[in-house]
Amino acid sequence: EVQLVQSGAEVQKPGEPLKISCQISGYIFFTYWITWVRQVPGRGLEWMGSFSPGDPDPRYSLSFQGQVTMSVDKSISTVYLQWRSLKVSDTAIYYCARQGLDATDALDVWGQGTMVTVSS
Amino acid sequence: QSVLTQPPSVSGAPGQRVTISCTGSNSNIGAGFDVHWYQQLPRTAPKLLIYANVNRPSGVPDRFSGSRSGTSASLAISGLQPDDEGDYYCQSYDTTLTEVFGGGTKLTVL
Repeated sequence: EVQLVQSGAEVQKPGEPLKISCQISGYIFFTYWITWVRQVPGRGLEWMGSFSPGDPDPRYSLSFQGQVTMSVDKSISTVYLQWRSLKVSDTAIYYCARQGLDATDALDVWGQGTMVTVSS
Repeated sequence: QSVLTQPPSVSGAPGQRVTISCTGSNSNIGAGFDVHWYQQLPRTAPKLLIYANVNRPSGVPDRFSGSRSGTSASLAISGLQPDDEGDYYCQSYDTTLTEVFGGGTKLTVL
């Protein structure tokens, strides 16, 4: 069974760094694209960026370029999303999702989401 | 402002049929890129409902169907059930090399 298991909820103060994770199992890691999606409470889904299997450098949405960093540790089949300095406006649920063999494919399996709360 | 436009809300009585539209442009849906649909029930992660315009993943009832024409796509839900209540999102790819979501449609079963 394909599973994406995300790290637990976080409560952090503005200016603090943070790294959340998404551990993948049930298929050969990095044979599919992996995507991060943000959902601000009460709002819609926003594409943040994606990893492709053949390229170690992620593609970022212009809205998130420079605001977050996506990384991967292939040895433990885990992808990460990190912030150097959180803002209150980063408060949201963050989902990782498996995409498929192409950037135009659907997000067929989703993690359970990580709620990040940034508050002083 | 989302790149793909959906109605904010739709509603229907149990057993009825509703449709949700997703309007894009010549840089995404109109360029021939596939449209996918997701269902997000309250307090849960999104779930793939329709992929590549018309295809249902295993386990999705045939009450759900998708279509695409020109710069738009639609999701139809027939035989509405109370458990269908939630948010529905369309998604496609854009020639600006980004993936784009619709703003979401809240389905209320009356």
